[in-house]
Amino acid sequence: GAGVSQSPRYKVAKRGQDVALRCDPISGHVSLFWYQQALGQGPEFLTYFQNEAQLDKSGLPSDRFFAERPEGSVSTLKIQRTQQEDSAVYLCASSFDPSSYEQYFGPGTRLTVT
Amino acid sequence: AQSVTQLGSHVSVSEGALVLLRCNYSSSVPPYLFWYVQYPNQGLQLLLKYTSAATLVKGINGFEAEFKKSETSFHLTKPSAHMSDAAEYFCAVTEAAGNKLTFGGGTRVLVKP
Repeated sequence: GAGVSQSPRYKVAKRGQDVALRCDPISGHVSLFWYQQALGQGPEFLTYFQNEAQLDKSGLPSDRFFAERPEGSVSTLKIQRTQQEDSAVYLCASSFDPSSYEQYFGPGTRLTVT
Repeated sequence: AQSVTQLGSHVSVSEGALVLLRCNYSSSVPPYLFWYVQYPNQGLQLLLKYTSAATLVKGINGFEAEFKKSETSFHLTKPSAHMSDAAEYFCAVTEAAGNKLTFGGGTRVLVKP
């Protein structure tokens, strides 16, 4: 596709459920980032992949959050035992390679935990 | 550590008037700075970026920003607002290519006819 795609666009989960959010980066992009955007705030960094390697996961808020990119393309962000404070928009971004400044963002997945 | 402060969470301008959105940053090394725009239910779109070349940076849709090291600022301007400029704008900083972005809290722009 032409841009970064994310699915689902909207997800409602009951507290305690597990969720999986998918990101399809731009084809050929080496770098992939996940950000969390709470209502009324700017995005905050969660984790970074270079190909399949997760080089930085310092932003993951708890061990309930897990991300993977097994083949260096599609990435999945998994949240276990969701809590109300996990409600946010989860944004995925990709960039061509580690020397690139520009990150291309997907439309995000809006997660609501009830 | 890097940080970004955007002054004013909401700005209201009249159509045709100047748009000025303020951004101040903190960085321990020479920064790279960005402005993104977010329309409702959409992702972030890059407006412009400063990567240590010219301090006055021109972007898309008539926006420009000036990097002022002495003031640690990177304010965004547009001479004449259009209704289509109504959106949320985010300033962001990174300390190296390929690194994570640190965003400000955003400024929502309302354009009055």
